[in-house]
Amino acid sequence: DAGVTQSPTHLIKTRGQQVTLRCSPKSGHDTVSWYQQALGQGPQFIFQYYEEEERQRGNFPDRFSGHQFPNYSSELNVNALLLGDSALYLCASSLTGGTGELFFGEGSRLTVL
Amino acid sequence: AQTVTQSQPEMSVQEAETVTLSCTYDTSESDYYLFWYKQPPSRQMILVIRQEAYKQQNATENRFSVNFQKAAKSFSLKISDSQLGDAAMYFCAYRYYGGATNKLIFGTGTLLAVQP
Repeated sequence: DAGVTQSPTHLIKTRGQQVTLRCSPKSGHDTVSWYQQALGQGPQFIFQYYEEEERQRGNFPDRFSGHQFPNYSSELNVNALLLGDSALYLCASSLTGGTGELFFGEGSRLTVL
Repeated sequence: AQTVTQSQPEMSVQEAETVTLSCTYDTSESDYYLFWYKQPPSRQMILVIRQEAYKQQNATENRFSVNFQKAAKSFSLKISDSQLGDAAMYFCAYRYYGGATNKLIFGTGTLLAVQP
């Protein structure tokens, strides 16, 4: 049973560029959440997707956008990258109507130079 | 707004000993969940233990147990018989029970070192 998989694991971008991060949820899960974890901090909720719609959004600017596909996989896009966007981006999946337990991937480490 | 506070940035314990990690939270809600997650160097966040606020009994999972004090808004994690594999970053997290999503609010974490 494959868990949550994320790609790429590491990437380096320069300021002003755009990045796309990808997530495949755990088998059987239909909901995907994205979190940003800055160095030495706890994860911060970016947004959650269910039925291809953004269900809730945290305190992040519009430069952060997402998408969920019919197979429940998801993408996180960040435009006009800033140095402060350097962080570990975690994807978590869950099953709506279940216990709500989140299963996390290993994250994508983004460095903005 | 709900907040989670972990006041111990780092802790250290000898192998086979017991350690307690502290967490306090602030919420005006009465129905919620509390969690402890472990994040080893591999970066994957792993659920250690969870507590439903309506349950008075403290949750236990093998060597891991919690001390849940609802009135004091305190939720500490006790690790008994510490093992080298317990070394990791530990995060306390809160989730509102009735929310539209299962969004988690995390504390800043406690880095646990286990000495052989």
